[in-house]
Amino acid sequence: GAGVSQSPRYKVAKRGQDVALRCDPISGHVSLFWYQQALGQGPEFLTYFQNEAQLDKSGLPSDRFFAERPEGSVSTLKIQRTQQEDSAVYLCASSLQMDYGYTFGSGTRLTVV
Amino acid sequence: AQRVTQPEKLLSVFKGAPVELKCNYSYSGSPELFWYVQYSRQRLQLLLRHISRESIKGFTADLNKGETSFHLKKPFAQEEDSAMYYCALKSGNSGGSNYKLTFGKGTLLTVNP
Repeated sequence: GAGVSQSPRYKVAKRGQDVALRCDPISGHVSLFWYQQALGQGPEFLTYFQNEAQLDKSGLPSDRFFAERPEGSVSTLKIQRTQQEDSAVYLCASSLQMDYGYTFGSGTRLTVV
Repeated sequence: AQRVTQPEKLLSVFKGAPVELKCNYSYSGSPELFWYVQYSRQRLQLLLRHISRESIKGFTADLNKGETSFHLKKPFAQEEDSAMYYCALKSGNSGGSNYKLTFGKGTLLTVNP
């Protein structure tokens, strides 16, 4: 596709439920990023992949958060046992190379009730 | 640790007036700074980066290392400039390139007719 595609656009989860958020980066983009944006805040870095290798996961808030990119293309961010504080917009971005600008997806708005 | 501060949460100007969105940063390394913009119901997109020293949509931003600032300016604001603006700093070196964006909390610019 022409841009970064994220699905679902909206997700409502009951507290304690597991969720999986998908990101389809631009074809050929080596670098992939996940960011979390809470209401009224700027995006905050979660994790970074270069191809299938997860080079930085320092931003993941807890061990309930897990991200993968097994074939170096599509990525999934999984949140186990969701909590209310996980409610946020989760943004995916991809880049051809690190020195290039990043293209962001539209995000997945997660609401935990 | 790196930090980006946007002191104004809201900024309102009239059409044709000059506009300046403030951004200050804290970073021990050599900074790479960006401005991102998010128009209503659209995804986050790159507006400009300091190393390009370009003008996009009439906006410019100059990196002032002495004042650790990267303010965004436009001499004559237009109604279509109304949007959320985020200043961001790139850090987190991998293989000689920075990859991690640290965002400010954003400034909502409203340009009134």
